[in-house]
Amino acid sequence: QVQLVESGGGVVQPGTSLRLSCAASGFSFSASTMHWVRQAPGKGLDWVAVISNDGIYTYYADSVQGRFTISRDNSKNTLYLQVNSLRPEDTAVFYCARVRPDSGWYDGFDIWGPGTMVTVSS
Amino acid sequence: QSALTQPRSVSGSPGQSVTISCTGTSSDVGGDNYVSWYQQHPGKAPKLMIYDVSKRPSGVPDRFSGSKSGNTASLTISGLQAEDEADYYCYSYAGSYTAVFGGGTKLTVL
Repeated sequence: QVQLVESGGGVVQPGTSLRLSCAASGFSFSASTMHWVRQAPGKGLDWVAVISNDGIYTYYADSVQGRFTISRDNSKNTLYLQVNSLRPEDTAVFYCARVRPDSGWYDGFDIWGPGTMVTVSS
Repeated sequence: QSALTQPRSVSGSPGQSVTISCTGTSSDVGGDNYVSWYQQHPGKAPKLMIYDVSKRPSGVPDRFSGSKSGNTASLTISGLQAEDEADYYCYSYAGSYTAVFGGGTKLTVL
C-alpha cells in the first residue's frame, strides 16, 4: 500500500525544537523527491521545503530558512524535518508529500501523509 | 514568495460549471508549467487534481480541467456534484528553487 505517515508533532514552548518524521511505504522512496508543506489552523497550504531523492539538494521557504532542516534516510524509507527556534506562528499541521515519479522536483504532489500537528504555545 | 491570488469562495448548483482562477506573476505561474491544483476536504490531506497546468492523474474525473493564460491559471469543474464541495488550492514553482501555493478557494455546491 502506497502511503506516507508523519509523526513527531506535539505541543511545545516557543524557542524549542522538534524532529518530524515521515515514514514511506509501498513505493521506491529512494527514487522520490519529497517536500514538506504546512497548514496553520483555518489557513491555507504553505510550502516549506524540498529534498532531492539522494538527499544532496535541499531548498527552503524564506520563512523557515535557517530554522528548519529537511533530511532523509533512504535506508529507513524516512523523511525528516528538524524544526528549531519554534514560534507561535509555526503552529500548523505539517504534511510530507511525494512528487510524481519521473518528473521535476516541483511537479505535482501525488501522495500526501495525513499530517502531524505542531502547536507552539507557552 | 507571496501567495498566489485565488478568490476566497465560489459556488454553483449541481450540474453547473465553475471556474477558479489563480493569479501569479511571470516568476511563478507565468514562467513555468509546474502548476498544479489540489482538493482538500475538511480534516483531510490535499489530493492532487491537476498537474502540469492541464493533466489529470489517473482516477480524477474528466469533469476537472486546467488551463493557463499568461500569469493566470484556472481550474474548471463541470457537472458539479455534491462531493466536489471542498477547498481548492493552486500551486506553482516560483523560481530560485522555491514554490508557492494560492490562498485557497472554498467551493460551495448549492
